[in-house]
Amino acid sequence: AQSVAQPEDQVNVAEGNPLTVKCTYSVSGNPYLFWYVQYPNRGLQFLLKYITGDNLVKGSYGFEAEFNKSQTSFHLKKPSALVSDSALYFCAVSPKRNNQGGKLIFGQGTELSVKP
Amino acid sequence: DTEVTQTPKHLVMGMTNKKSLKCEQHMGHRAMYWYKQKAKKPPELMFVYSYEKLSINESVPSRFSPECPNSSLLNLHLHALQPEDSALYLCASSQDRGNNQPQHFGDGTRLSIL
Repeated sequence: AQSVAQPEDQVNVAEGNPLTVKCTYSVSGNPYLFWYVQYPNRGLQFLLKYITGDNLVKGSYGFEAEFNKSQTSFHLKKPSALVSDSALYFCAVSPKRNNQGGKLIFGQGTELSVKP
Repeated sequence: DTEVTQTPKHLVMGMTNKKSLKCEQHMGHRAMYWYKQKAKKPPELMFVYSYEKLSINESVPSRFSPECPNSSLLNLHLHALQPEDSALYLCASSQDRGNNQPQHFGDGTRLSIL
């Protein structure tokens, strides 16, 4: 079965420190990879995606993600965390299957808490 | 500000009521989606529309009835819901159903079933 794993339910970081939110996937082929963020009482916001090319992808709000094909991982990173980054983060994968376009496989989410 | 607008933001209804959720986007997107999300969980896909036609129905109970009147609007008609249907209902859109297209989400309708 195809799946996405976010091994940490919660990540705690001090403001100004670097942060990493982990994601690994088990999907056949070379899927497309996405990160979304959800702030309280809001919908999901698209942060960044990996389609092909450079393994380091830059996205919104200073976030970046590193794709590692051999480890089937797509970890989200930020060099210096802000309190306002506190939110729920979802990794999502879209397999390259023509008849299932639009279907995302989501990880279970990681709650990021940044303390002053 | 979100570019996908959902109304109402909150809805409380009894199990015998009929209500509708509405979603609107003006980004020219041709794919639109309904999701159900429980607290602190990932969204669960319900329906996908592509070019105003229903493409995917994830075996959703018939008490949920989607409608896409035009390329900018998506409705979800609700009838005889159950308490377990209480959740955040999210609408999303994307340029098309291409697997590399990011989805843009509204802020949802928080639905409570009494």
